[in-house]
Amino acid sequence: SQQGEEDPQALSIQEGENATMNCSYKTSINNLQWYRQNSGRGLVHLILIRSNEREKHSGRLRVTLDTSKKSSSLLITASRAADTASYFCGYIRDDKIIFGKGTRLHILP
Amino acid sequence: NAGVTQTPKFQVLKTGQSMTLQCAQDMNHEYMSWYRQDPGMGLRLIHYSVGAGITDQGEVPNGYNVSRSTTEDFPLRLLSAAPSQTSVYFCASSYSRTRSFTDTQYFGPGTRLTVL
Repeated sequence: SQQGEEDPQALSIQEGENATMNCSYKTSINNLQWYRQNSGRGLVHLILIRSNEREKHSGRLRVTLDTSKKSSSLLITASRAADTASYFCGYIRDDKIIFGKGTRLHILP
Repeated sequence: NAGVTQTPKFQVLKTGQSMTLQCAQDMNHEYMSWYRQDPGMGLRLIHYSVGAGITDQGEVPNGYNVSRSTTEDFPLRLLSAAPSQTSVYFCASSYSRTRSFTDTQYFGPGTRLTVL
């Protein structure tokens, strides 16, 4: 598959806990973006991490990038019910914008 | 700005019928693309366009045609619908598609297509 792989495919955690999801890709990339999809809706951009950055923060989001391992992780701290959604990484491969298969996150009350 | 709009929101077709999914953006974006989303498969790129008059194939182009006669519109045509094309279709656009991939992708609300 040309797609990136998000890991895990699905994740259920208690409200207030931290959620970590991972993205692996198969080619050299310049930058990587993370997106969120609420049920049945289009993706919404969360954060961009550049290839020369190892870590980036935005509010409760923390993204890391390890280009040597071709992987990125998205950490959501102090999760809320509203964080229930699917999360996708996106990057360019062969001049095409590719998205992974996504991680479905469910926050339990 | 309306952003990225898609019509229709829902569509049911019979095998062999043809139809066009509409996508429009009012942000003067150069880059537009179509994805299909199936359970467990994530988003798969069908076709994309880096500007008016220019289109190219994505990962799963078979059975679909596109054209880009204006900057604003990027319709997706199903020539002869098949049950395997039952899916949710998303259109996306961005200011450009540079190799650095720094531009945000803006997605439409999706079209849910069922082919019987």
